[in-house]
Amino acid sequence: DVKVTQSSRYLVKRTGEKVFLECVQDMDHENMFWYRQDPGLGLRLIYFSYDVKMKEKGDIPEGYSVSREKKERFSLILESASTNQTSMYLCASSRQGYGYTFGSGTRLTVV
Amino acid sequence: QKEVEQNSGPLSVPEGAIASLNCTYSDRGSQSFFWYRQYSGKSPELIMSIYSNGDKEDGRFTAQLNKASQYVSLLIRDSQPSDSATYLCAVNWDAGGTSYGKLTFGQGTILTVHP
Repeated sequence: DVKVTQSSRYLVKRTGEKVFLECVQDMDHENMFWYRQDPGLGLRLIYFSYDVKMKEKGDIPEGYSVSREKKERFSLILESASTNQTSMYLCASSRQGYGYTFGSGTRLTVV
Repeated sequence: QKEVEQNSGPLSVPEGAIASLNCTYSDRGSQSFFWYRQYSGKSPELIMSIYSNGDKEDGRFTAQLNKASQYVSLLIRDSQPSDSATYLCAVNWDAGGTSYGKLTFGQGTILTVHP
């Protein structure tokens, strides 16, 4: 069964901390994505990557960075966590022209 | 700005009825269309994909695509309480291969199937 695995299901961090969210896929997909999902705002794209070391900003990249050193792994970094980054974070991967496979999500709370 | 609009909902149907979910999109160049189901507190799950005009059936689900009208729909026959979820429409446009598979999502329609 193909999988996208997110390292944490729930995470609580303090304001100002540097936070790493990890995502690993075992499907050899070229494309990987990070979204956040908030009630009433839907899915919003933060960053995506189409190849190792290649990344593109999405719609809301401010306050975030990403890293893709290996094809199977895509990390989201919150440089200095703030309370307005409390959200559900969803990682997804895909092959060009096909739909996403999502990970199970990380519910991040910043206090 | 490429947009995807879904019927606002929430939609409530009795068990055994047909649920009809609708989606329109703004970009005529759109190539691929997807329906996701998302249970409360869970991540979206791909349930249907459609790439050409017409109907595509998979069990109780039928996706319908009309590119001329820029319209895609999902029909759920014999609706069950377990179908109660948020349904997300997603669209991909492949601008010469530069979209990198990026999807644009609608806001979702909440479906409730009551016994």
